Amino acid sequence: QVQLVQSGAEVKKPGASVKVSCKASGYTFTSYGISWVRQAPGQGLEWMGWISAYNGNTNYAQKLQGRVTMTTDTSTSTAYMELRSLRSDDTAVYYCARDATVTGIDYWGQGTLVTVSS
Amino acid sequence: SSELTQDPAVSVALGQTVRITCQGDSLRSYYASWYQQKPGQAPVLVIYGKNNRPSGIPDRFSGSSSGNTASLTITGAQAEDEADYYCNSRDSSGNHRVFGTGTKVTVL
Repeated sequence: QVQLVQSGAEVKKPGASVKVSCKASGYTFTSYGISWVRQAPGQGLEWMGWISAYNGNTNYAQKLQGRVTMTTDTSTSTAYMELRSLRSDDTAVYYCARDATVTGIDYWGQGTLVTVSS
Repeated sequence: SSELTQDPAVSVALGQTVRITCQGDSLRSYYASWYQQKPGQAPVLVIYGKNNRPSGIPDRFSGSSSGNTASLTITGAQAEDEADYYCNSRDSSGNHRVFGTGTKVTVL
């Protein structure tokens, strides 16, 4: 069965960086992309960007351009999302999700809470 | 426009039918997917494409689209359908995904 298992919760100070991992299993990793989505407390879902696990091509949401980097390690079927220059409004649950051309975003990780606080 | 707009909240009596809508210019070109999210849980895909349900999703969930509006219909709502629902599609450029503002469904 498809599973996406994310790294644990993080607490960071403003200005720091965070890197969240997402280990995929149960499917051919390089046949799909990975989208990253975040959800601030009590708020809706926000799409952050996408990476192709096949060739590493990326597409980032405009508001995060320059602060976010998405990468993959095909040898371990793991995707990573790094967010830099953290601010308090980056406090959110961060999700990775499998992204397919036909079905769109279909399977989700369990989420990683990132708290930015001084 | 890259926005997808949903009504903030709707309510439905147990066993009745509710329609949740999602409006946006990009929906004239792209289908919407729909996600159900319960408190403290990750979203779950319930509808994708023209009107497709992933395995395990009850057939009381259905999708449709007309013009700039996509709709998710729950026919015979159950107590366990109480959740937040989000639409998702591409923006007008086709290069980015965008989520709707979300609709909280209450089953009375």
